[in-house]
Amino acid sequence: DTGVSQDPRHKITKRGQNVTFRCDPISEHNRLYWYRQTLGQGPEFLTYFQNEAQLEKSRLLSDRFSAERPKGSFSTLEIQRTEQGDSAMYLCASSSAVGGKGNQPQHFGDGTRLSIL
Amino acid sequence: SQKIEQNSEALNIQEGKTATLTCNYTNYSPAYLQWYRQDPGRGPVFLLLIRENEKEKRKERLKVTFDTTLKQSLFHITASQPADSATYLCALDTNAGKSTFGDGTTLTVKP
Repeated sequence: DTGVSQDPRHKITKRGQNVTFRCDPISEHNRLYWYRQTLGQGPEFLTYFQNEAQLEKSRLLSDRFSAERPKGSFSTLEIQRTEQGDSAMYLCASSSAVGGKGNQPQHFGDGTRLSIL
Repeated sequence: SQKIEQNSEALNIQEGKTATLTCNYTNYSPAYLQWYRQDPGRGPVFLLLIRENEKEKRKERLKVTFDTTLKQSLFHITASQPADSATYLCALDTNAGKSTFGDGTTLTVKP
């Protein structure tokens, strides 16, 4: 169990550019979550996958955001045409769903900090 | 609308005392509730999970209570240490999957 890893840890980019983040969950976990966190706030849910299926997307996830988990293992989160308001920490978490229910603790990575210039 | 409130912006206590953090919620019927610890620049770390049919859970110096009538959870750290200084987040969950987090309480334990 090497934990949840996220790459890169930091990303600085100019407004209007596209960015992609990667998350590698704990290998035996079938659920993977993306959250966004700004300073002084708790994590805000963006989307989650069970295996390769994307089961829920938040209203926060505009059409500039897309997430994939093609083989039910790692996931990517892409933001197109970045805006100043996209600056935040993007957190990934994984868990195992027992009986199809999300009733197990989530294990978080240390996030990707995005800064838009 | 659903709302989660965690007590005070910051909590300062003396080493050795018990820290008590509060999580109140409205317009929500969680199946379970979790507490996490978050250090600056790091992701949240899971501490304890309590289900709606449980009143209390303990783990070493940590204790969580869950009152679905009051719509409140209390998180206690006994014999607090400076190393316990961090931000503590509560998260409410249905069985649908996603967690809804509070904004956290920053705890500082002074030696």
